[in-house]
Formats: sequence, C-alpha cells, structure tokens
Amino acid sequence: GDSVTQMEGPVTLSEEAFLTINCTYTATGYPSLFWYVQYPGEGLQLLLKATKADDKGSNKGFEATYRKETTSFHLEKGSVQVSDSAVYFCALSLNFNKFYFGSGTKLNVKP
Amino acid sequence: SQTIHQWPATLVQPVGSPLSLECTVEGTSNPNLYWYRQAAGRGLQLLFYSVGIGQISSEVPQNLSASRPQDRQFILSSKKLLLSDSGFYLCAWSKGGGYEQYFGPGTRLTVT
Repeated sequence: GDSVTQMEGPVTLSEEAFLTINCTYTATGYPSLFWYVQYPGEGLQLLLKATKADDKGSNKGFEATYRKETTSFHLEKGSVQVSDSAVYFCALSLNFNKFYFGSGTKLNVKP
Repeated sequence: SQTIHQWPATLVQPVGSPLSLECTVEGTSNPNLYWYRQAAGRGLQLLFYSVGIGQISSEVPQNLSASRPQDRQFILSSKKLLLSDSGFYLCAWSKGGGYEQYFGPGTRLTVT
C-alpha cells in the first residue's frame, strides 16, 4: 500500500550545522510530496511541496527534491538555527482524498 | 485568504462524559475536511475525512464519530469518553486529492 518512511529521531545538531532528514515513499500512482513542521503545542504548518518528479520545493532555507528513481524526498538545510527545533513530517497525497504521513522526526538544535 | 479554526484549545473531561470538538474553515468552499489524533510524541492518526456535507468516512473503528452539518463545519463527537481518547486533535482541510492540507491549531484533550 501507499506509505511514507522517514528517519527516526531525535536528530541533535549544533547551530549552523547541515541538516538532512531522509524520507522515502511507496505509492501506486504519482503522488504530490510535502514536508510539514510542527512546533510544540501547535498544529502542522506546510513547509514545502513538490508535485512532480525532479521538482524542488524550497522555503525558509529548507529544500527537498522529488526523486522518482529513488522514491525519495529528503529535507535539507545548509545552516540550521535554534529556531528550527521542531518535529518534521514528510507526507504524500495521491489523486484521491487521503494523505499519508511519516512518523515525524524531532530536530533539536543547540546553540 | 483561508483560515481554519478549532475550539476549544484545551479540554479536560472525566471518563464517561460526552465530547464535542468543532472545526470551521473560512475563505473556501466545498473543502475536504479531516480529523486527526496525535498521541504524545507520536505521529498522526487519521480518524475521519469528509468530501461533502453529510459524507463521512471513518478510518479507525472507535469511540468517536464525526459529522459535517454545513459545508465548512466539521464536528468530532463522543457519547462516552475513554482514557485512551486523550491526545491532541487536529482538523485539516484541502482542496482535494493531490493538494496540500492546511491544519488548525489543535485541541488538547485530557480525559481523567
């Protein structure tokens, strides 16, 4: 079935370090792919998206490229800040009415 | 622009009491609507989704029910709460399949 797998957390980095959070997917069709961020006690916010193969989504210094050949959508940021500490969710949506979320990866950035 | 509201923000209820959580969306019409539950430190569990008034799909058989009495209103209910119903409840909307979802601020429910 359709699913999303993302790397286990927590991920702990020092400020200005490079971030990668891995996400791979399984889908029966051609999904749209998303990254969401959740700060403590809040709902999820859309961080970026990509709707077709080779698309690159970007926002607030974060990037992710839709790789159909490896069924991946890894999240990257060149230099993380303390304010980036949050839980990050990878998700996919197909042409029906359900979303599939990964289990979330908690990021802790230390000053 | 579109806005999604949820209330209450926080709720503490005794076991066996009823529940009603409300979600409303502004600035769009005929949205798909979703209820999720998130246990502490865990991922999202889809509970219900709706593609139109009166149309509800249940993902997990449980103690909860959902209703959509108006186009942009989605209600989550229970007749008798269980301890296991505690969690963070999130409402979301989307334009349809393949589109991103937008989430409300959530309701923190504690059943005592």
